[in-house]
Amino acid sequence: DTAVSQTPKYLVTQMGNDKSIKCEQNLGHDTMYWYKQDSKKFLKIMFSYNNKELIINETVPNRFSPKSPDKAHLNLHINSLELGDSAVYFCASSQVDVSGANVLTFGAGSRLTVL
Amino acid sequence: SQQGEEDPQALSIQEGENATMNCSYKTSINNLQWYRQNSGRGLVHLILIRSNEREKHSGRLRVTLDTSKKSSSLLITASRAADTASYFCATDSNDYKLSFGAGTTVTVRA
Repeated sequence: DTAVSQTPKYLVTQMGNDKSIKCEQNLGHDTMYWYKQDSKKFLKIMFSYNNKELIINETVPNRFSPKSPDKAHLNLHINSLELGDSAVYFCASSQVDVSGANVLTFGAGSRLTVL
Repeated sequence: SQQGEEDPQALSIQEGENATMNCSYKTSINNLQWYRQNSGRGLVHLILIRSNEREKHSGRLRVTLDTSKKSSSLLITASRAADTASYFCATDSNDYKLSFGAGTTVTVRA
């Protein structure tokens, strides 16, 4: 039933570890995204894939690597976790309509806490 | 840098009152969207207004857009406790990079 689902919902880990967050959408959308929301609620785009092709790669450390095995899945792998990586990570998907409007459907978020 | 910036940062109102929040942005847009985020949840799309529109209504929501001032407002009429949430504006410039502000946190007191 869930349109955009991401796992895990909570992730607590030690500095220096590597972790992954998975995302799947069943809406048939062509485009998927990763956004990061910090403690002040700023929501910043990190990556976007359109039909498995990377189209947006914002200024994000190389420790973050997205992977899209197919257009319904977009995973985020983070190497050598740092304290500053603690945030809520949101996956989203969209399909541009005939007027060019791009409305996002978000997942519930994955709260990452780095100790 | 963030494209959309909401004002005020926080708003506390009594149930039944109206809530108004504003959004300013910097570059030209195709459309502007408003989203709601309940505590601990993802963002949910509320309403979209195109650059050639000035006002739009959806239920208790009223959105205005002034492209000359690069600003938008969201009005929630007859607020309810369930409207307690953070509200974000997002600008769509036809480049897949929907840009969000930091949101306005609205608390509706019973």
